[in-house]
Parts: sequence; structure tokens; C-alpha cells
Amino acid sequence: GDSVTQMEGPVTLSEEAFLTINCTYTATGYPSLFWYVQYPGEGLQLLLKATKADDKGSNKGFEATYRKETTSFHLEKGSVQVSDSAVYFCALSDGTGTASKLTFGTGTRLQVTL
Amino acid sequence: KAGVTQTPRYLIKTRGQQVTLSCSPISGHRSVSWYQQTPGQGLQFLFEYFSETQRNKGNFPGRFSGRQFSNSRSEMNVSTLELGDSALYLCASSWGVSGANVLTFGAGSRLTVL
Repeated sequence: GDSVTQMEGPVTLSEEAFLTINCTYTATGYPSLFWYVQYPGEGLQLLLKATKADDKGSNKGFEATYRKETTSFHLEKGSVQVSDSAVYFCALSDGTGTASKLTFGTGTRLQVTL
Repeated sequence: KAGVTQTPRYLIKTRGQQVTLSCSPISGHRSVSWYQQTPGQGLQFLFEYFSETQRNKGNFPGRFSGRQFSNSRSEMNVSTLELGDSALYLCASSWGVSGANVLTFGAGSRLTVL
């Protein structure tokens, strides 16, 4: 079945540091890929998405590129802020049209310090 | 524009009881899905409804059930509660069921089973 593997956390960075959170996936067909973020006490918020190979999703300074050859969708940000501290989830929806059935990674907690 | 509303936000039950959680999707969204989030298992898909029909179901026992009403509002029910059912239950809505559709999540209902 489909699966998503994320790097283990927590990741602790100083403000303005460069961020990379690795995400690889296994899926049949042509999945869409997503990054969601969860702040303490809240639900998930979509951060960015990519629906086909070589697409780059971007939002709020975060970027991720859909790499079919390496089955990866790594999240990057050039300069993190304290307000970016949260848990980040990589997810995929399968290619059969069932948008609501997302497969999530285990989440990576990011803590940004001054 | 109102987001996805889940009620109640917090509840405490004892083993053997049952619980009903409610979800009001974003106006115009016809697809509602439910996820269970626990520290041990992460985010797991429960079920998906579209136009009052269950389209997909995750790997959960029959004690977990749901339904969707004609106004797209959804409820999920868990009967004969077990300690392991303690979790954050997240509802998400989307306009349609395309694989590229974005899910918008509610803040969740946190269930504690004693």
C-alpha cells in the first residue's frame, strides 16, 4: 500500500537557519503530494501541494518539488522564524481520485529558537 | 468564510460508553472525511463521505461509524469505547473528490477515555 516516510524529529534550529525536512513516498499511480502544518492545539493547515512530477509547491517561503525519479518531496525554507515552530506532515493522495484518503507521514516537529 | 467546525472540542468518556462527534464543513464543500490522530499511530484515515454516501473506509473496527446529512454536515460515532480510542479526531472537508483537491481541516475533537 501507499506510504510516506519523514525524517525523525525534533528538529531544532536557530532563527534564520536553513530548513530541510525530508519526505519520501511509495505509491502506485500518480499521487498528489502535500505538506500540512499543525500548530499546538490546532488542526492541520495546508502549507503547499504539488500534483504532478517536477511541480514546485510554495507558500510563505516554504518550497517543495515533486521528484518522481527519487520519489521525494522534501520541504525547504531558506530562513526560518520562531513562528515556524510546529509539526510538519508530508502526505499523499492516491491517483485513483479519492482526494480525502490521505496517507500521512509520522510528522516532524520543528523548534526554532532565538 | 467560516472554516470547518467540529463539536465538541473536548470530551471525557468512560470505557463502554459511546460518543458522537459532529462536523460542519465549509459552505459548498460536499466531501467530508475523518481522521484519528494518536501519538502512537499518527494520522489514520477513518472514512470519507460524499453526497451522503460513504465512499471509502479505513481499517477500523465496526465500532466506528459515520454518516453525512443532506446539508453535508457529518457525524461520527464510536460505540463501546476502549482506552485506545483516546485521540484527537479530525474532520476535513473539500469541494469534490479529485485527487488534487485540498482538504481543509477542523481544529479537532479531543476524546479522552477513562
